Amino acid sequence: DADVTQTPRNRITKTGKRIMLECSQTKGHDRMYWYRQDPGLGLRLIYYSFDVKDINKGEISDGYSVSRQAQAKFSLSLESAIPNQTALYFCATSDPGLITGANVLTFGAGSRLTVL
Amino acid sequence: AQSVTQLGSHVSVSEGALVLLRCNYSSSVPPYLFWYVQYPNQGLQLLLKYTTGATLVKGINGFEAEFKKSETSFHLTKPSAHMSDAAEYFCAVSRNTGNQFYFGTGTSLTVIP
Repeated sequence: DADVTQTPRNRITKTGKRIMLECSQTKGHDRMYWYRQDPGLGLRLIYYSFDVKDINKGEISDGYSVSRQAQAKFSLSLESAIPNQTALYFCATSDPGLITGANVLTFGAGSRLTVL
Repeated sequence: AQSVTQLGSHVSVSEGALVLLRCNYSSSVPPYLFWYVQYPNQGLQLLLKYTTGATLVKGINGFEAEFKKSETSFHLTKPSAHMSDAAEYFCAVSRNTGNQFYFGTGTSLTVIP
């Protein structure tokens, strides 16, 4: 099984619908992240969480919300999807880097969302 | 503020030729530097990282990168390209054990037989 699992892998929805993307991890990491990938723009951070009680906005959080249900689970919601939220979404985890000297991200395989 | 610039969104090389993917960063403090690779329909995976110490870093699949502080660069190289190297490559920076990573816009590598 993958260390970081994202569901669904692909989703097509309509404008105005509520969508939830789910992420679970078996790494035992406290830190979890949601990124969005768009062609030519690289990866941009939406939200991140350092533990179950910690939620922080990234650079593009407008239109999104998150829930950290447990150490291993971090979900991303689009309350009312719009077409410019069509993108590839990645969940990632990291440790704090105290042992390795740098917190390295471990990514899921991605969730491709299309909003019509 | 930190930012990452990858020169060249698309790079093509012949099989067996040198691979050079460029990355420059701006950071007010010494950063941690990373290269990630994304194969089609997959998530990103770590190729290599620089934290402290030796400035020439070796990664997986024969890739290496050199941290040059004076040039604020962290270019990725591989002496001989293989067909399996075709992928998208991302340079990223974070500030020591900071909470955010900043990614470049990516370079798509094509390997020509």
